[in-house]
Formats: sequence, structure tokens, C-alpha cells
Amino acid sequence: AQSVTQLDSQVPVFEEAPVELRCNYSSSVSVYLFWYVQYPNQGLQLLLKYLSGSTLVKGINGFEAEFNKSQTSFHLRKPSVHISDTAEYFCAVRSLGGNQFYFGTGTSLTVIP
Amino acid sequence: DAGVTQSPTHLIKTRGQQVTLRCSPKSGHDTVSWYQQALGQGPQFIFQYYEEEERQRGNFPDRFSGHQFPNYSSELNVNALLLGDSALYLCASSLQEFEQFFGPGTRLTVL
Repeated sequence: AQSVTQLDSQVPVFEEAPVELRCNYSSSVSVYLFWYVQYPNQGLQLLLKYLSGSTLVKGINGFEAEFNKSQTSFHLRKPSVHISDTAEYFCAVRSLGGNQFYFGTGTSLTVIP
Repeated sequence: DAGVTQSPTHLIKTRGQQVTLRCSPKSGHDTVSWYQQALGQGPQFIFQYYEEEERQRGNFPDRFSGHQFPNYSSELNVNALLLGDSALYLCASSLQEFEQFFGPGTRLTVL
């Protein structure tokens, strides 16, 4: 089985400042990695995914993430956040050939004007 | 193109009752997964349906059951409701094994 740890439950950041949301995973097999965003009272929307190839992945809304196999990490970054980025962010993993997604407990990002 | 839809949006039940939640997948998708998201937690995998059969199941009791219809839509049934079943129930659809698209969820409150 796999597991995901999101190290920060809450991250406050000022508008236009950079942000990094941390994600570490545990797995004995190769995995696919995902970041989802959840706005209040809504479902999850995919921000970006790592399946293979370049370890730097770019997603929607200016977000990017870097897969680091040696550190089993997949941290999410944005160089300049907006008020509209305030939301809950979830990191998830799925094993190659597996069907089940494993989610972290989420990081609440609050952008301060 | 409609995305994943779920009904109802909200539901209030009492302990011991039974509930049925419904999900219509994104057009062209053949696989449906169900998740339970308790308040302040990440989604927990309940089970996945493909070709009208349960393909994989998470760590949930048999009170949780499901069904997939020939048109790929799906139902989640929960029997003998407990207070701890109160959560947001998310449906996700996919084609093959990669990206899952999530619906808006059904908020279940058990009193």
C-alpha cells in the first residue's frame, strides 16, 4: 500500500508572495503523483500530475511541482499567489497498474491581501 | 460536455436508516470510484466499479455497497447509518487508469 504525508496543515501567505506546499509519499512500488485543489463546497479539481518523464511538472493556474524520487517528495510551488488561490490542496498517489488513489490530509492555503 | 454529476447535493438521515447516492460519470468514462471525505480529512477510497463489477475495495465495512449500470452510472448504498458516516461523498470517473475527474459531492449528515 501507499501513503501520503502533507507536512503542513495550514499555510498562510501574503498575496503575490511565493508558496510551497510539501508532500511526501511512501511506497514500495513506482507511483503516479497528483495534486488536486478543492474550493469550499466543491469537488476536487486536478492541478497537475506526474506520470513519467521530466520531473518538473507544470499545471493549471501557474502551479508546478517537482518529483524527487530519492526524497520521495512531490512539492507544489507557485511563484506568486493570488487571493483566488485560497483553497484546500491535496496530494495523492496511485501505484502503476493500481486502481486506488491514496490522498494526504490536505493543506489549507490562505492568501492574505 | 457535462462533467461528473452527483445527486442529491445534501442529505439528512437518522441513525439506522439506509441511503442511496447517485453518480453519472463524465461522458466517455467507464470507471467510477467512490470516496468518503470526513470533515478536515482527505478523501478515503471506498471502492471502484468497472464493467458493472466491483474491481477494488478500500477498508470499509460491508454496510457500504455499490452498483454500476450498463450506462456506467453508479450508486453508493450505505445501510444501518452511523453518526460517523457523516461526510462528503465524492464520485470520480476515469477512462482506463489515469486521471480521475471528481464530482461536486453529496454532503450526508447523520443525526
